[in-house]
Amino acid sequence: DGGITQSPKYLFRKEGQNVTLSCEQNLNHDAMYWYRQDPGQGLRLIYYSQIVNDFQKGDIAEGYSVSREKKESFPLTVTSAQKNPTAFYLCASSPEGWRNQPQHFGDGTRLSIL
Amino acid sequence: RKEVEQDPGPFNVPEGATVAFNCTYSNSASQSFFWYRQDCRKEPKLLMSVYSSGNEDGRFTAQLNRASQYISLLIRDSKLSDSATYLCVVTAIGSSNTGKLIFGQGTTLQVKP
Repeated sequence: DGGITQSPKYLFRKEGQNVTLSCEQNLNHDAMYWYRQDPGQGLRLIYYSQIVNDFQKGDIAEGYSVSREKKESFPLTVTSAQKNPTAFYLCASSPEGWRNQPQHFGDGTRLSIL
Repeated sequence: RKEVEQDPGPFNVPEGATVAFNCTYSNSASQSFFWYRQDCRKEPKLLMSVYSSGNEDGRFTAQLNRASQYISLLIRDSKLSDSATYLCVVTAIGSSNTGKLIFGQGTTLQVKP
């Protein structure tokens, strides 16, 4: 089955710790995205990547970093600089010609602070 | 003003009712529009795209009014399984934003027996 796999489903971070959220897709999509969702809020874009080895900051990139070394993988690192990391993190992808295309989502990672 | 605005609800309706959600967007140059459905503590899933001529998928009808910059979703004969949050999504326009999706905060629907 084609899809987007995020891991882990739940993650706990200690103060001062960096953590990395995994996102893998086998849909052969060019574009991938990371969003953050807080309770009662819409999705906010953290980073996105249209092709391998290239990515751009979204609206709330501070305290986060990404890499896109392979087409199918787009990991997100939540650094210690992100002071309020508790949220639901969603990875998405869309096909070539990503503009104006709907996006397909993984089932998310819930990050909490210990 | 938010780029995409929705009434958060909740909308509480009985089974079999017809319910309509509206969504307004601020960028008149936006090109693509979607409705997503998000169940509690789950990821959003595409419900339907919204076309200028309006489109229907079973009990769901989406309409776009470009002049007034709003999108609507009509659900007929509501089922218990329709209970979810419905997200209005619009593509952003302008330089580096072109093509990016902007999400509304969602409208929560609760269908009661």
